[in-house]
This record gives sequence, structure tokens and C-alpha cells, in this order.
Amino acid sequence: KAGVTQTPRYLIKTRGQQVTLSCSPISGHRSVSWYQQTPGQGLQFLFEYFSETQRNKGNFPGRFSGRQFSNSRSEMNVSTLELGDSALYLCASSQGQFWGYTFGSGTRLTVV
Amino acid sequence: GIQVEQSPPDLILQEGANSTLRCNFSDSVNNLQWFHQNPWGQLINLFYIPSGTKQNGRLSATTVATERYSLLYISSSQTTDSGVYFCAVEETSGSRLTFGEGTQLTVNP
Repeated sequence: KAGVTQTPRYLIKTRGQQVTLSCSPISGHRSVSWYQQTPGQGLQFLFEYFSETQRNKGNFPGRFSGRQFSNSRSEMNVSTLELGDSALYLCASSQGQFWGYTFGSGTRLTVV
Repeated sequence: GIQVEQSPPDLILQEGANSTLRCNFSDSVNNLQWFHQNPWGQLINLFYIPSGTKQNGRLSATTVATERYSLLYISSSQTTDSGVYFCAVEETSGSRLTFGEGTQLTVNP
């Protein structure tokens, strides 16, 4: 069974640009969630989608958005990039409550 | 929101030693997981353990939900055990994990 796949693995963007990250969950998993990891703030929850609906959202500005498609694949978008958005972005999928989460390898975003 | 505290923040061991990592959480949880973050950043799931005890090789974990803590035991540590260990909990409201700050483990040969 394939794991959680995130693309791209690495990305370098310039301040002010926008970026889209992709996450394909484990087959059969309908919940996809996104996390940001930085040295200063640790691992922080961004948002969670289930069956194309955002069920939960963390405390991030509106520049961070996401969506989920009918095949459960998810994308997150960051507009008007800032230097502070440089981070490792991790995606996780789950079969649902009480099943635990499986994480992908992450996308390392550098904003210059 | 729920608070998750891990201790110790740093741990240095000699190969072959045993260790115990602790995770305290401030409220009832649906889910508790232990992860090991590899050098490339991926979070590897070690245990899904909202309560009780589980073992997997040299690793074992115990969660006492009524007292709001979990322990991760690593026996006969190896250099490949080095890395950051995270505890993460899912509140009863569901659908999001809250992570602790992690324990940075270094195992020297």
C-alpha cells in the first residue's frame, strides 16, 4: 500500500510569489491534514479536510488556504509569500477518528 | 487548547543504554501517537496508543489516560535511534493533532 505522497520535495520561491503544494493520501483515507514545522514554532496544525470539506482550521492568516478533491488528494496554497513562511510542510492522512495519522515526507519550502 | 509537554528536551546516550521519554498532556484525548522524525523530516509513526501498553521490538509505550501521561521506552539503544521524538495528541473534539516540543535523542557509538 503506497504511503502519503507529497510533491514537490523541495521548493524555492521569492517573497510575494504564491505556491501550491500537493498531497496524495493513502488509498481509502478520506481525511487529509496539513502541518507547518519551523524551528521557532515547532509543529503547528494548518487545516484538515474530510470528503472535500474543511472541518478544522488552525490559527494561520488567510494567505494559507487549501482544498480537497473528490479523490481525496489535497492541495494547500500560500499566497504573497513572506520570509517567515519558510518551513517544512507536512501532510497527514487518516481513515478517521481513532485510526491515527500517517505522515508524508514533507515539502521543504524556502522563501528568499 | 490542549497543552503537551515532553521531557527531557535533550538526551545523550551511549549505544546499548536504555531510556524513557515522557509526554504529559493537559486534557482528555481521543488519540495519542509517538513519532520519530528522520533526518529528512518525515514523521515515522511509532505507536498509536491512546491508552494501555504496546511493544514493538526494542521500543514500547505506555499511556495512562486517567493521569494524562505517556511514556516511550527505548531499550538497548542504537545510533540509528538518534533523532527527534514527538508525542502528539488529538483532542476529543477531533481532527487535529497537537504536538509537544520533542525530545532530541543522540546515541553515541
